[in-house]
Amino acid sequence: QKEVEQDPGPLSVPEGAIVSLNCTYSNSAFQYFMWYRQYSRKGPELLMYTYSSGNKEDGRFTAQVDKSSKYISLFIRDSQPSDSATYLCAMSAGAAGNKLTFGGGTRVLVKP
Amino acid sequence: GAGVSQSPSNKVTEKGKDVELRCDPISGHTALYWYRQSLGQGLEFLIYFQGNSAPDKSGLPSDRFSAERTGGSVSTLTIQRTQQEDSAVYLCASSPYTQETQYFGPGTRLLVL
Repeated sequence: QKEVEQDPGPLSVPEGAIVSLNCTYSNSAFQYFMWYRQYSRKGPELLMYTYSSGNKEDGRFTAQVDKSSKYISLFIRDSQPSDSATYLCAMSAGAAGNKLTFGGGTRVLVKP
Repeated sequence: GAGVSQSPSNKVTEKGKDVELRCDPISGHTALYWYRQSLGQGLEFLIYFQGNSAPDKSGLPSDRFSAERTGGSVSTLTIQRTQQEDSAVYLCASSPYTQETQYFGPGTRLLVL
């Protein structure tokens, strides 16, 4: 079993809907949690970064971390066709310099 | 400002040949990482450099893979005697010393025939 599990999708939603993405993990040492967006044939782009449990909001994006359940989520409000991409969760165990462990990515399609 | 750059963007080689992939990190970033992204395996850590410290090579899949970082900036990933299973996108990322977030380049798409 992988350390980080993520549903590969695809997840198809109409424009304007809320996109809900999540990852589960098994390593309780993970403390730093990130979400990346990756467009086809491009490198991952950092969207959200959260330390430990809690919520973080940035514009249309909200990230949630529940360490007790080893579960993280990303919500995208008022989704746009430009949000169509693969979303990757990533996490690390320690301070600066720790390698990231990634989920497999969820492909999202927002239909106009 | 300029982001992480990688070259070449695409590389096609024959099985058994050696290849070199280059990464230019964001200016001032002291940490540099190499990852590999392939179908079925997702994004996997390969190697990490931080300043003048010994690199963390724990993710390198075999001794055919090596990397170096010259002058604390540019890095080169070398794959010797390439195999078809080495076909993947090789991604480089960098980060400032005091931050955990990593910023990725566009990747090099390697195809081994």
